[in-house]
Amino acid sequence: GENVEQHPSTLSVQEGDSAVIKCTYSDSASNYFPWYKQELGKRPQLIIDIRSNVGEKKDQRIAVTLNKTAKHFSLHITETQPEDSAVYFCAASIMADKLIFGTGTRLQVFP
Amino acid sequence: NAGVMQNPRHLVRRRGQEARLRCSPMKGHSHVYWYRQLPEEGLKFMVYLQKENIIDESGMPKERFSAEFPKEGPSILRIQQVVRGDSAAYFCASSSDRVSYTFGSGTRLTVV
Repeated sequence: GENVEQHPSTLSVQEGDSAVIKCTYSDSASNYFPWYKQELGKRPQLIIDIRSNVGEKKDQRIAVTLNKTAKHFSLHITETQPEDSAVYFCAASIMADKLIFGTGTRLQVFP
Repeated sequence: NAGVMQNPRHLVRRRGQEARLRCSPMKGHSHVYWYRQLPEEGLKFMVYLQKENIIDESGMPKERFSAEFPKEGPSILRIQQVVRGDSAAYFCASSSDRVSYTFGSGTRLTVV
């Protein structure tokens, strides 16, 4: 089955700097890659997603890139703010199937 | 639209008791997924249901755990004879198109 690895497990950045989180997946049939943000004690919330027919997608300060050949995808957050501090999860799925999550990255943005 | 509603938010059970977790999907969503999140870990898939059918239960422990999504009413995740290792946050997600998911706020189960 699908396996998703996520790095780093923790990431500390200064406010205004960029943050990059990377994930790799094992099943070449996976074609949907969402990213979730989870604040302490709260539900995971979708922040951006990408499908395999697209190489890059951007939404304001957040962007995701996908390399199907290498089977990895990355989340980029620019101009980080303290409110970006949370745990971020990547996931992969074959469309219309269950999501397989990475192990999470705890991002801390220091003012 | 009230979103995905889970209840209770917090549930405390003694070892050996039963835990029942409820999930009402978003209006118009017929696909329900249950995930378990252990402290400081990611979300692990447990089961995928449509109305009255279990589609994929490959992540569900073979014993003590069961799930249903009846024609009327919420989806129920049932854990019999709970043990300390069942303590976790249980999240339900629903979908209308089996692609984009909306998560509920979760039920935090503590077994004492």
